[in-house]
Amino acid sequence: SQELEQSPQSLIVQEGKNLTINCTSSKTLYGLYWYKQKYGEGLIFLMMLQKGGEEKSHEKITAKLDEKKQQSSLHITASQPSHAGIYLCGAARGGGADGLTFGKGTHLIIQP
Amino acid sequence: GAGVSQSPRYKVAKRGQDVALRCDPISGHVSLFWYQQALGQGPEFLTYFQNEAQLDKSGLPSDRFFAERPEGSVSTLKIQRTQQEDSAVYLCASSLAGSYGYTFGSGTRLTVV
Repeated sequence: SQELEQSPQSLIVQEGKNLTINCTSSKTLYGLYWYKQKYGEGLIFLMMLQKGGEEKSHEKITAKLDEKKQQSSLHITASQPSHAGIYLCGAARGGGADGLTFGKGTHLIIQP
Repeated sequence: GAGVSQSPRYKVAKRGQDVALRCDPISGHVSLFWYQQALGQGPEFLTYFQNEAQLDKSGLPSDRFFAERPEGSVSTLKIQRTQQEDSAVYLCASSLAGSYGYTFGSGTRLTVV
């Protein structure tokens, strides 16, 4: 079964600084999802990457997919308190639309 | 509805009690998924439905866990004889058939005491 490893596990960043979160897969990635979760709440979809080399941005968050390295990175520019939360990467369980396997998450804290 | 609705939001059960968790997916979403998220972990797949058919239940941790979706809309996850290790957040997600877009509910936090 596919395993996703996220690094770092937790991150404390001063407001205004940039940061990067990584997600590495044990198998070939056919699609990679990024979600954000506030404590005690559900998952909020950020973006999905499907092709190697693909890069997507939404506001100050950019995600890239490196198919050869079986890795994705999530980069936040000029972090704000609203960016605090748990970031989860997910990949298709069986290569189809039958649910996701998730990493353990990266807990991001923004210090004012 | 506008989003995936789960109830109750919080549930405290005494060890040995049976519980039922409800998920109301987005109207028209054919696929429905259940996940279990332990504290400090990512969500773990439990089971999924396409309409009323349960296509995969390989993630259910024991035969005490049972899910149904009799009319292809609302789904119920039932846990019999709850144990302390069942304490977790149970998340439901839904999607259009064959779609890669999943919408998650806010989850039910189950605490077994």
